[in-house]
Amino acid sequence: AQKITQTQPGMFVQEKEAVTLDCTYDTSDQSYGLFWYKQPSSGEMIFLIYQGSYDEQNATEGRYSLNFQKARKSANLVISASQLGDSAMYFCAMRERMNDYKLSFGAGTTVTVRA
Amino acid sequence: EAGVVQSPRYKIIEKKQPVAFWCNPISGHNTLYWYLQNLGQGPELLIRYENEEAVDDSQLPKDRFSAERLKGVDSTLKIQPAELGDSAVYLCASTVWGARRNNQPQHFGDGTRLSIL
Repeated sequence: AQKITQTQPGMFVQEKEAVTLDCTYDTSDQSYGLFWYKQPSSGEMIFLIYQGSYDEQNATEGRYSLNFQKARKSANLVISASQLGDSAMYFCAMRERMNDYKLSFGAGTTVTVRA
Repeated sequence: EAGVVQSPRYKIIEKKQPVAFWCNPISGHNTLYWYLQNLGQGPELLIRYENEEAVDDSQLPKDRFSAERLKGVDSTLKIQPAELGDSAVYLCASTVWGARRNNQPQHFGDGTRLSIL
């Protein structure tokens, strides 16, 4: 079964606008962590933001925020004030305690920022 | 702080040839991972090391893939012989393994893009 589902293969966003990337996950574990990574065309995977399953507040890191809805098992990434440099592939990933803390990735969403 | 360093950046070989990738993790990171990433997909774990011990190699195709981390620092991933289906990006990542396991992100290198002719 797919642990991480990212239903948007590609998105276009206008520069300076906000964009929301969807991520839903499947786990029966009570203790897990959710991560978002950015992968530009250069290939490196850049860690953006983390949300723990016990965290009550939504995580924020600069222009990145995570809309965590535990009951719906969703962890959407919001990028505010999009910049041209935000054009990249974005991956949602989950680490579960019961899965020996392995990191499971979704298929990714490609974001293209238009000037 | 230097990031995860991988080499080579690109590698083109003919099928049935051997190939090796090298990874130097972030200083102080005792846990090292090798991932395979096919085009348009997320990375998939091949092997995880804690110090010099391979603690999870269940996804490593051991008939042709091997890995080592002899001194618990840098690591080498080898494929012998390479097949056409091995064309992919091979990513190395590292992290600190401690009590607060869930919130430690893995830091990735730039990857090695392998093309098999």
